[in-house]
Amino acid sequence: QQQVKQSPQSLIVQKGGISIINCAYENTAFDYFPWYQQFPGKGPALLIAIRPDVSEKKEGRFTISFNKSAKQFSLHIMDSQPGDSATYFCAASMSSGTYKYIFGTGTRLKVLA
Amino acid sequence: DAGITQSPRHKVTETGTPVTLRCHQTENHRYMYWYRQDPGHGLRLIHYSYGVKDTDKGEVSDGYSVSRSKTEDFLLTLESATSSQTSVYFCAISDSVWNYGYTFGSGTRLTVV
Repeated sequence: QQQVKQSPQSLIVQKGGISIINCAYENTAFDYFPWYQQFPGKGPALLIAIRPDVSEKKEGRFTISFNKSAKQFSLHIMDSQPGDSATYFCAASMSSGTYKYIFGTGTRLKVLA
Repeated sequence: DAGITQSPRHKVTETGTPVTLRCHQTENHRYMYWYRQDPGHGLRLIHYSYGVKDTDKGEVSDGYSVSRSKTEDFLLTLESATSSQTSVYFCAISDSVWNYGYTFGSGTRLTVV
């Protein structure tokens, strides 16, 4: 019940295209869903996050879509750029308690120029 | 990353030796976490701390111990290093009140030979 399943494992997109990464969770107590972006040799950095009281959150070219009934959420990267090439992790957490994150297994995105 | 420093950045050690990794923060955040990152597994929680001398186990805590004697420092010790502990270790900090997001350090690449 603590798992967060992420897909695909890797993704290749043409410049200007849309990148879509999906995550699914089981624990309905999760109420905070962040996405992290990691470049080689660096630590992950918070990209965007959503709470389940909204179905979508947009920040620039990055959008989280959230489906509470299906227990799924996804990251959409519009107009993908080569600089977006990185590993992306979804995560889930409960906002009460110790704020532990359960991370997905990661998606390696490559955007071709 | 600003406010959080991990040391050393790289280490090679022999099987059976103890190893200590250090995480130092200047943000005065209450929560600190140790994760390990392995291909195909994403980020997995080893131990976390919710205050000075307050620590608890994560999902992959066997073979690891932690200590937090000061707010700013969180130490991870591999009691007797094994090859399965070869990994990249990340420390993260969180301020539970104002920002649910984690700030990660730059990581320590540990190789056990």
